[in-house]
Amino acid sequence: QVQLVQSGAEVKKPGASVKVSCKASGYTFTRYGINWVRQAPGQGLEWMGWISAYNGNTNYAQKLQGRVTMTTDTSTSTAYMELRSLRSDDTAVYYCARYSTYYYDSSGYVDYWGQGTLVTVSS
Amino acid sequence: SYELTQPPSVSVSPGQTARITCSGDALPKQYAYWYQQKPGQAPLLVMYKDSERPSGIPERFSGSSSGTTVTLTISGVQAEDEADYYCQSADSSGTWVFGGGTKLTVL
Repeated sequence: QVQLVQSGAEVKKPGASVKVSCKASGYTFTRYGINWVRQAPGQGLEWMGWISAYNGNTNYAQKLQGRVTMTTDTSTSTAYMELRSLRSDDTAVYYCARYSTYYYDSSGYVDYWGQGTLVTVSS
Repeated sequence: SYELTQPPSVSVSPGQTARITCSGDALPKQYAYWYQQKPGQAPLLVMYKDSERPSGIPERFSGSSSGTTVTLTISGVQAEDEADYYCQSADSSGTWVFGGGTKLTVL
């Protein structure tokens, strides 16, 4: 069965960086992409970006351009999301989710989600 | 920036029909997707490409589209359907957008 298992909760100080991992199993990793979505406490969902596990192509939300980097390691079927220059409003649960194709398509969707990783930014 | 608009809340009694709407200017050209999220859980895809139901999702969930509005309909609502529901689509550049979410309360 398809599973996405994320790394554990993190507490970071403002200005620091965080790197969240997402290990996939139960499917051929390189045939799909990975989306990252975050959710601040009590708030809605926010799309952060997408990465192709096939060729590493990315598409980031404009709001996060310059602060976020998404990568994959095909040898371990793991996706990573690094967010730099953390601020208090980056406090959120960060989700990875399997994207329906390895190429970016506006009709793509996510069908499996990780369990979420809480990142708390506090001095 | 592109926005999708959902009602903050919808309330229905068990067995009734719940309709959750999502409005956006690009919806006539872009598919919509719906996610259900229960407290403390990750979202769950309940509808894709406007009206396609993923395997494992009960038949009481259906989707439709008309102009700039898409609708998620839950027929014969059950207590277990109480959750937050988010619509999602893309703008003309392909950037993903989520609606603000609708809290479905089963009275």
